[in-house]
Amino acid sequence: AAGVIQSPRHLIKEKRETATLKCYPIPRHDTVYWYQQGPGQDPQFLISFYEKMQSDKGSIPDRFSAQQFSDYHSELNMSSLELGDSALYFCASSLGRRAGLGLNEQFFGPGTRLTVL
Amino acid sequence: SQQGEEDPQALSIQEGENATMNCSYKTSINNLQWYRQNSGRGLVHLILIRSNEREKHSGRLRVTLDTSKKSSSLLITASRAADTASYFCATDAGSSNTGKLIFGQGTTLQVKP
Repeated sequence: AAGVIQSPRHLIKEKRETATLKCYPIPRHDTVYWYQQGPGQDPQFLISFYEKMQSDKGSIPDRFSAQQFSDYHSELNMSSLELGDSALYFCASSLGRRAGLGLNEQFFGPGTRLTVL
Repeated sequence: SQQGEEDPQALSIQEGENATMNCSYKTSINNLQWYRQNSGRGLVHLILIRSNEREKHSGRLRVTLDTSKKSSSLLITASRAADTASYFCATDAGSSNTGKLIFGQGTTLQVKP
């Protein structure tokens, strides 16, 4: 079965540079979530989209922005990168209509490991 | 702030033994999900239990939920070396039903062959 695809898998950037992470959800999934996991930490929710509209927002810095496109893929744009942005960035997808039923299993991609030097 | 706390933080057992991990949370929830993560890799969805369910099984996994105590447990029976991983509980607690998950701190399980 098709899974969530994230690209790139690894990314190395310098401080103050920009980065774009991409996420391709499971086919027919209309909801995308972004999470950040620092070393030895649990994943932290950043932002989510349902049917191409932002649906929720967590602890996402103003330097970060994201959007969901017409084909439901999503991109996380990160500017003015800081050392503390080094982390694993996960994208997850689900069927949004199941969230209201409490049945929104979220399926995660393999993550993008961002290293800021 | 953390929604969930997991207990124990680390667990080491022999192959064939059972492993029990506990998760506590603070607010009311729509559902609670358990995930497995091998070192530095992706999160694998294990099981979802809704707030109106008390117990759920999937293969060697058994999950219980006690909403009165705001706690859940994950039991892995007849553990295998391949079960070595970190296990996270995550709660969907959004009143707006957007589905965002709040993760606990995870339990690191080591199964020795």
